[in-house]
This record gives sequence, C-alpha cells and structure tokens, in this order.
Amino acid sequence: GDSVTQMEGPVTLSEEAFLTINCTYTATGYPSLFWYVQYPGEGLQLLLKATKADDKGSNKGFEATYRKETTSFHLEKGSVQVSDSAVYFCASNFNKFYFGSGTKLNVKP
Amino acid sequence: NAGVTQTPKFQVLKTGQSMTLQCAQDMNHNSMYWYRQDPGMGLRLIYYSASEGTTDKGEVPNGYNVSRLNKREFSLRLESAAPSQTSVYFCASSEAVQGNNQPQHFGDGTRLSIL
Repeated sequence: GDSVTQMEGPVTLSEEAFLTINCTYTATGYPSLFWYVQYPGEGLQLLLKATKADDKGSNKGFEATYRKETTSFHLEKGSVQVSDSAVYFCASNFNKFYFGSGTKLNVKP
Repeated sequence: NAGVTQTPKFQVLKTGQSMTLQCAQDMNHNSMYWYRQDPGMGLRLIYYSASEGTTDKGEVPNGYNVSRLNKREFSLRLESAAPSQTSVYFCASSEAVQGNNQPQHFGDGTRLSIL
C-alpha cells in the first residue's frame, strides 16, 4: 500500500549548516507531496508542496524537488537558523493522505 | 483568517469521564479529520469524514466517536476516558480526501490529560 518514510531524528546542526531531511514515498499512482513544519506547542503548518514530477516546492529558504525516478521528496535548506528548530513531516496524497513519522531538527547557535 | 479552530485548547479529565472536542473550519472544505499525536510520535488518524454526512474509521478508532454536525463542524467524543487517551488531538480539513493537490490544514490542537 501507499506510505511515506522519512529519516529518523533528531537531527542536530549548528547554525548556518546545510540541512537535508530525506523522504521517500510509495504510491499506486502519482501523488501530490507536501512538507509540514510543527513548532513546539503548535499544530502542523504547510511549508511547501509539489504536485507533479520535477516540480520544486520552496518557501522560507526551504526547497524540495519531486523525484519520480527515486520516489523521493527530500527537504533541503542551505543555511539553517535557530528558529528552524521544529519537527518536520513529509506527506503524500493520492487516494488518501499519508504522513511520515516526523523528523525533529535542533539547531544550535 | 481563522482556518481550523479547535476547542478547548487544554483539558484535564478523570478516568471514566466523557468529553467532546470541537472543531470548526471556515474554508468550505469537504473533508475533515481527527488525529492524535503522542510524545515523540507522529500522527495517527482516529476518524475522518470525506464529506458532510459520512464518517469512517482511521487507524486508531477504539474508544472514540465522531459526529459531522454540518459541513463546517466535526466533533470527537470520548465516552469513557482512559489514561491511554492522554494525548494531543489535532483536527484537520482539506478540499477532498483523494485525487486533489491541495493540502490538509491543521488546528492548533487540544492537549488532553486523563488522570
């Protein structure tokens, strides 16, 4: 069946480091793909999305490219800030919504 | 610009008490969802409503009931609360359950403790 798998955390980085959080999906078709961010004590907020192969979603310096050949949607940011510390969720939607288990990011000053 | 509104934000119950969590959305979405999130864990779907008048079980429905009161509102009821139901509960909505490139939108959550 359909599913989303993302790298386990926590991921700890120093400020200004490069970030990659891996996400792969399985689907019976071609799903839409999303990244959400959850700050402490808050709900999930949509960070970016891509709806077809080779699409690149971007927002607030974060980017992710829909790779059909590798069924991946890895989240990247060139220079993280302390304020990026949060939990990040990858999600897909084809016949239903599927969420990954979340990756906690800690950014140290 | 309200989006998805959940009430209450915090609640403490005693074992065996009942409670209804309320959720309302103002985006004219057809589909609504209830999730629970336990510490260090991801989201688990409790129930969802694909459209007004329909509800379906998710991954962890035992101990819960839901009502899709109208297109805007979707409530979650705990009939006899148990400590294992201590969690953060999130309501979400979307235009459709499937075949749509629009995301789910989430409320800020209800933090529920059962003693």
